[in-house]
Amino acid sequence: DTGVSQNPRHKITKRGQNVTFRCDPISEHNRLYWYRQTLGQGPEFLTYFQNEAQLEKSRLLSDRFSAERPKGSFSTLEIQRTEQGDSAMYLCASSGRQGNHGYTFGSGTRLTVV
Amino acid sequence: GDSVTQMEGPVTLSEEAFLTINCTYTATGYPSLFWYVQYPGEGLQLLLKATKADDKGSNKGFEATYRKETTSFHLEKGSVQVSDSAVYFCALSDFTGGFKTIFGAGTRLFVKA
Repeated sequence: DTGVSQNPRHKITKRGQNVTFRCDPISEHNRLYWYRQTLGQGPEFLTYFQNEAQLEKSRLLSDRFSAERPKGSFSTLEIQRTEQGDSAMYLCASSGRQGNHGYTFGSGTRLTVV
Repeated sequence: GDSVTQMEGPVTLSEEAFLTINCTYTATGYPSLFWYVQYPGEGLQLLLKATKADDKGSNKGFEATYRKETTSFHLEKGSVQVSDSAVYFCALSDFTGGFKTIFGAGTRLFVKA
């Protein structure tokens, strides 16, 4: 297993465009999490899935953000009508059945909105 | 809600110095506690964890003890190396929060040769 994989590593987009990021978790992990990290801050929770079910969404996740995890495998995070404030590192992590034993993080997707 | 507070950085130490990074938490339940590390240009990695009071997590010479009475989980290392230069994040995960993890703001450590 190669760990948690995120694509693309970097994305530069113009304001108002839509972007989509992909995360492939560790295959035996049934929980998948999305976080956002800005410079000098810790990761902020966005949403998480147990298998294909999206169980919680943060208030940070406006209606321009949507996440899916079809068939409980990979996940996508889409941002519509991007704004400059969306510029950040988007992190994906996965864990086993009980998330209280720690996560495995991907390397992240750095989004820059110009 | 649950929260984590850790000491502000940057912390600058000479090689072989003793390291302490303070972390305190607020939680409604009985959380598991973690330290994650982010080396320059890399993703977050789990450094150590403790799942109940008085547990000591340890890894790569780093240690932290889960202190329920003081709601603390301070990170320590007896002798730091240049290669320990990184950002360290204290975090908690609580069943009442659906096991999502709450992170502190991070503490940047610089170790000089």
